[in-house]
Amino acid sequence: GQNIDQPTEMTATEGAIVQINCTYQTSGFNGLFWYQQHAGEAPTFLSYNVLDGLEEKGRFSSFLSRSKGYSYLLLKELQMKDSASYLCAVSELTGGGNKLTFGTGTQLKVEL
Amino acid sequence: NAGVTQTPKFRVLKTGQSMTLLCAQDMNHEYMYWYRQDPGMGLRLIHYSVGEGTTAKGEVPDGYNVSRLKKQNFLLGLESAAPSQTSVYFCASKRDTITTTNEKLFFGSGTQLSVL
Repeated sequence: GQNIDQPTEMTATEGAIVQINCTYQTSGFNGLFWYQQHAGEAPTFLSYNVLDGLEEKGRFSSFLSRSKGYSYLLLKELQMKDSASYLCAVSELTGGGNKLTFGTGTQLKVEL
Repeated sequence: NAGVTQTPKFRVLKTGQSMTLLCAQDMNHEYMYWYRQDPGMGLRLIHYSVGEGTTAKGEVPDGYNVSRLKKQNFLLGLESAAPSQTSVYFCASKRDTITTTNEKLFFGSGTQLSVL
């Protein structure tokens, strides 16, 4: 099974940088996803990491360290529209194929 | 391109009533999923399908049934609704093929279900 931990809530200021951490424990790691979910809406894909290192995509970057069971999502130049829940999801390779487990999400509030 | 479409968006049931949630995708995806989302619990997998005519149990399958008679549709049924099934339900699909087995999920807009 998997155990995924991420902070419940974070608050940051518009224009600033925020880092959302995710730690996990799994026996068959096969990739880590970050999804964004605005209140009352569906989750949407942000990033995917399967190898160690940083993946950059515009204002958003995601980092993975497989040996530490650790990932973070970095949001730069924060905007009010970035207020949302950020879901860390870990893919695990099992006998039945890939199994995806979601963390409980980090609610980010961006303030003026 | 509509993507993943769920109906209905809202529903209120009385305990013991039955209903079916419909999910349709127009992306020709093989894999389809039903999740429920509860406060503090994250998204939990109910049932999934890896292709037309196939279904499998997820993490929390009790009290639900599914069918995938057509590749584009994945139905979630509640035969006898219980208050514990009050939740937001999301359908999702992904492309996965033999050579690309960890594709991203595309989600529907969700169904808010209340069981009284």
